[in-house]
Amino acid sequence: DQQVKQNSPSLSVQEGRISILNCDYTNSMFDYFLWYKKYPAEGPTFLISISSIKDKNEDGRFTVFLNKSAKHLSLHIVPSQPGDSAVYFCAASGRGGADGLTFGKGTHLIIQP
Amino acid sequence: DTAVSQTPKYLVTQMGNDKSIKCEQNLGHDTMYWYKQDSKKFLKIMFSYNNKELIINETVPNRFSPKSPDKAHLNLHINSLELGDSAVYFCASSQETGIIGEKLFFGSGTQLSVL
Repeated sequence: DQQVKQNSPSLSVQEGRISILNCDYTNSMFDYFLWYKKYPAEGPTFLISISSIKDKNEDGRFTVFLNKSAKHLSLHIVPSQPGDSAVYFCAASGRGGADGLTFGKGTHLIIQP
Repeated sequence: DTAVSQTPKYLVTQMGNDKSIKCEQNLGHDTMYWYKQDSKKFLKIMFSYNNKELIINETVPNRFSPKSPDKAHLNLHINSLELGDSAVYFCASSQETGIIGEKLFFGSGTQLSVL
């Protein structure tokens, strides 16, 4: 039962353009959403998060948008840089965080020069 | 200085063997976790410990036994390894549990291959 879905296994974007990574969730109890970035042979590292009381959170080149009614969030990276090439995981947590984080399968972002 | 370190990075072993993966964090965090990334690339939580006490124990075979000697360490022992145990195992830690959206800090993973 996939509660967090990232339907695009990979995405290729030209350097300098905008990268948009999408994530859908099914559990309405999720209250907090996070994006993690993962390079090969490394563990995921935290990138940006958003609480369900907000619809947008921005940090430098990274912006996360949340549409609660659609149970959809997206990560925008602009401008995309070669170092952004990595696997991006969407994650969600419920009230109290006692269940840990529920992750999607990840989207492999490839930034082309 | 690696914040969350786990050893070994690669582990190749035969079916039926018993093996351990060690994890240490130097961040002073209270909570540590084990996640498994299977062949389908899902990262799924297996266990979490808060101050050496088990908080989460997802449906994993009882061949998997976590051990936390202190809050900076959470080791994973696996008995009678099976082919299906082949995966990448990630250790992680966070500042506190029970708080929505706590950030997890991950180790670099242990790739376990059972032959």
